[in-house]
Amino acid sequence: ILNVEQSPQSLHVQEGDSTNFTCSFPSSNFYALHWYRWETAKSPEALFVMTLNGDEKKKGRISATLNTKEGYSYLYIKGSQPEDSATYLCASGGSYIPTFGRGTSLIVHP
Amino acid sequence: GAVVSQHPSRVICKSGTSVKIECRSLDFQATTMFWYRQFPKQSLMLMATSNEGSKATYEQGVEKDKFLINHASLTLSTLTVTSAHPEDSSFYICSARAKGGGPYEQYFGPGTRLTVT
Repeated sequence: ILNVEQSPQSLHVQEGDSTNFTCSFPSSNFYALHWYRWETAKSPEALFVMTLNGDEKKKGRISATLNTKEGYSYLYIKGSQPEDSATYLCASGGSYIPTFGRGTSLIVHP
Repeated sequence: GAVVSQHPSRVICKSGTSVKIECRSLDFQATTMFWYRQFPKQSLMLMATSNEGSKATYEQGVEKDKFLINHASLTLSTLTVTSAHPEDSSFYICSARAKGGGPYEQYFGPGTRLTVT
């Protein structure tokens, strides 16, 4: 994998559903993995930065895991709420300046 | 804390004119600022990195004479798109790294939508 890939590109879920997205990145020369939450017309907001293989981080109903050996990270949202609707970006790279994926657009329907 | 503003949020200009976009760190000093561009359905692509008081470092393929970056103070960086053409229409977004902050942090502005007619 040469780029940072995110899947799915978009996702529609019902309020209360749990969901997860994937970020795939080059496993060689790994430095850090970032997750951002980006609401329309607002600034991207940092959710997590993970650096160690096996890292798991949690913020409220949102959690993330990291596998640097195989080059992927999962973001989980438990009990999705309409306010979780946003684009979720991941970024990774071999330096302080990461490469961004295209994002996963999540829409949570009430 | 750690708020970054951008101005304007939207701008429409005619082909051949220049447009300046401002990126300000409102409550912290930013030693490094980054400028990104995002085309529809694409990822954020880094254009350049600027350190206060120094010349910007441009990514490969980004014309430094077309995209002028000035980081004259610890709270302000500007991106000037010179002689804009329709193909420069894009979403431009800046981010900033705080003085004394960690190596991973970036605080983003809300972005500027540029349309060149």
